[in-house]
Amino acid sequence: ETGVTQTPRHLVMGMTNKKSLKCEQHLGHNAMYWYKQSAKKPLELMFVYSLEERVENNSVPSRFSPECPNSSHLFLHLHTLQPEDSALYLCASSQEMLAGVGDTQYFGPGTRLTVL
Amino acid sequence: AQKVTQAQTEISVVEKEDVTLDCVYETRDTTYYLFWYKQPPSGELVFLIRRNSFDEQNEISGRYSWNFQKSTSSFNFTITASQVVDSAVYFCALSDENNNAGNMLTFGGGTRLMVKP
Repeated sequence: ETGVTQTPRHLVMGMTNKKSLKCEQHLGHNAMYWYKQSAKKPLELMFVYSLEERVENNSVPSRFSPECPNSSHLFLHLHTLQPEDSALYLCASSQEMLAGVGDTQYFGPGTRLTVL
Repeated sequence: AQKVTQAQTEISVVEKEDVTLDCVYETRDTTYYLFWYKQPPSGELVFLIRRNSFDEQNEISGRYSWNFQKSTSSFNFTITASQVVDSAVYFCALSDENNNAGNMLTFGGGTRLMVKP
C-alpha cells in the first residue's frame, strides 16, 4: 500500500449504530487530519493530530470521536449520527504540523457515509 | 482573516480548449503557501502544486501551468488542450501563519470543470 488509505470506502448506517472509519498513512508523516466534505460546505477541517496528540478540534459534535493510536493510524468513531452527517469523510497526512506553515497535505480516497 | 475565493463554481469546455481556473486569496502574512488540488469523481484530493509567497515565478508542468501574481493576490491555474480526464473539481488552498497551530489549510469553494468530448 502506498500513500493514504481509508476504509471502508462506503458506509451506510442507521442513526443508532456505532461504526468506525479507519485511515492509514504509509508516508512516514507525523500529522494526520480528518475533513468533512458535504454539498453545503465543501471542505471542513474536523480534527488534527500531531505526533498522536490532538491539536485542533473545530467544534465538532461529540458524536464524532477521533482516535490516533500512533502516527500512522487515525480513526473516527461514529455514534448516534444524524442524516445531516451524511458526507464524504477525508483523511490527510503531512510531514509536520507544528513545525510551521506550508507542509503539503496528502489525502486518502475518502469514506462516503450515508446516515439513514 | 485568511480567505480563498474561487469565483467560478462550474466551467464547461470542449476537449482541446484551454481553460483557466481563477483563485484569489486574502492574507495578512508575508509568508504563506498556496496549493492546488484536483478531486476526480473517485473522491480523493490529488495534490498538484505548492507555491510559497516568495517565489513568483510561473510554473509549467506538461499541460498545466500556474500564474502567481502577488499584486492581485491571485494564483490562477491553466490547463492547455484540455482532455476528458481533466474533468474534476479543483480546489485552491492557502496556508499562512495566522492559523492557530501551524499547518492548516483554508480551501476555496472549488471549481467543477467538465470537459466534453
